[in-house]
Amino acid sequence: RKEVEQDPGPFNVPEGATVAFNCTYSNSASQSFFWYRQDCRKEPKLLMSVYSSGNEDGRFTAQLNRASQYISLLIRDSKLSDSATYLCVVTRSDSWGKFQFGAGTQVVVTP
Amino acid sequence: EAGVTQFPSHSVIEKGQTVTLRCDPISGHDNLYWYRRVMGKEIKFLLHFVKESKQDESGMPNNRFLAERTGGTYSTLKVQPAELEDSGVYFCASSQDSRPGELFFGEGSRLTVL
Repeated sequence: RKEVEQDPGPFNVPEGATVAFNCTYSNSASQSFFWYRQDCRKEPKLLMSVYSSGNEDGRFTAQLNRASQYISLLIRDSKLSDSATYLCVVTRSDSWGKFQFGAGTQVVVTP
Repeated sequence: EAGVTQFPSHSVIEKGQTVTLRCDPISGHDNLYWYRRVMGKEIKFLLHFVKESKQDESGMPNNRFLAERTGGTYSTLKVQPAELEDSGVYFCASSQDSRPGELFFGEGSRLTVL
């Protein structure tokens, strides 16, 4: 079983709509959680960290559910520029530098 | 400020040949990482340097892969001899903190082994 699992999508979203998707992780020792964004044939870039209490950054909201071992990302008022692959990233306290990546969820925002 | 730079951006070699990938981290970043994405799979950790020392090399697939970071600045990743399954995109990343919240990635070196 993979350590980090994501629905690959694609999620086809009309411009202005809301889209949400989850990521599950298998290791209960996981300590830190992030969402990265990757555009086609480009490098991953940090979108936001995910905190236990949940956090919001503009149109993006991230949630963490430790009991069920998943994190979520919600995008409100989707823009065409939000089209990308969203990577769920998890690290453990005993190996901070060793990021565990999900395979990514593709989001396509359409006009 | 320059980001993480990688060279070459694309390399096509034949099975059995040798390839060396180079990564220049962001200046001042002690932590340097190598990751790899094989087609259709997730990005996977290869190893982590802190300055010139290998902090964690648990992700290195086998002894055909050799990573170095002499002087704690740039790093090289050599694959010798290359096999077909080594094809993929090799990402380098760097960070300033030992417990990073953010890794800064380079654009990757795409390796194709024929």
